[in-house]
Amino acid sequence: GESVGLHLPTLSVQEGDNSIINCAYSNSASDYFIWYKQESGKGPQFIIDIRSNMDKRQGQRVTVLLNKTVKHLSLQIAATQPGDSAVYFCAEKGNYGQNFVFGPGTRLSVLP
Amino acid sequence: KAGVTQTPRYLIKTRGQQVTLSCSPISGHRSVSWYQQTPGQGLQFLFEYFSETQRNKGNFPGRFSGRQFSNSRSEMNVSTLELGDSALYLCASSSTGGASYEQYFGPGTRLTVT
Repeated sequence: GESVGLHLPTLSVQEGDNSIINCAYSNSASDYFIWYKQESGKGPQFIIDIRSNMDKRQGQRVTVLLNKTVKHLSLQIAATQPGDSAVYFCAEKGNYGQNFVFGPGTRLSVLP
Repeated sequence: KAGVTQTPRYLIKTRGQQVTLSCSPISGHRSVSWYQQTPGQGLQFLFEYFSETQRNKGNFPGRFSGRQFSNSRSEMNVSTLELGDSALYLCASSSTGGASYEQYFGPGTRLTVT
């Protein structure tokens, strides 16, 4: 498959464990954030989003936490499965028509 | 609902040539954004179109251009190709690009410049 990033930080977790992927964002004016999952050879897939007026949002097996004080975003994946192996990106956007700015990505590797 | 489609999926061009990539957004989506993805630079924003107007532009040279048609389909063009233009080109659509920011990506077009 295609290489999304040759030198990405990698997180290795055992199947069934919980995963936490972190992201530091740059713009304190950003008010909307998305986590994407990208598998080899595919485009990024929307996982979950959160607005800046929230601290936490939950989806199916995923939780996003937002700490505006330190400009930090995290994605928690519960009971990680082999199918969760992918590169995960956070993206931030301001509220005045700015484009999305993507983080460098983290490669999640699920070990059997 | 059908997802975002991009054509072609793979393309090989020679330096100096030009190329046109096509993107069909999700039905009802009026905003289309284009991104370039490379291993070294990651995902970088090229431009966004909404209702046939370019609304936002990233920091790329003028060789990169785009347009959007009345049916929201979008094309991007790269003229005078350089080796460094080899990348995965992704397009993403959203319903308004305004209050609703949720973007959905297509599978990308892998461009190789030789």
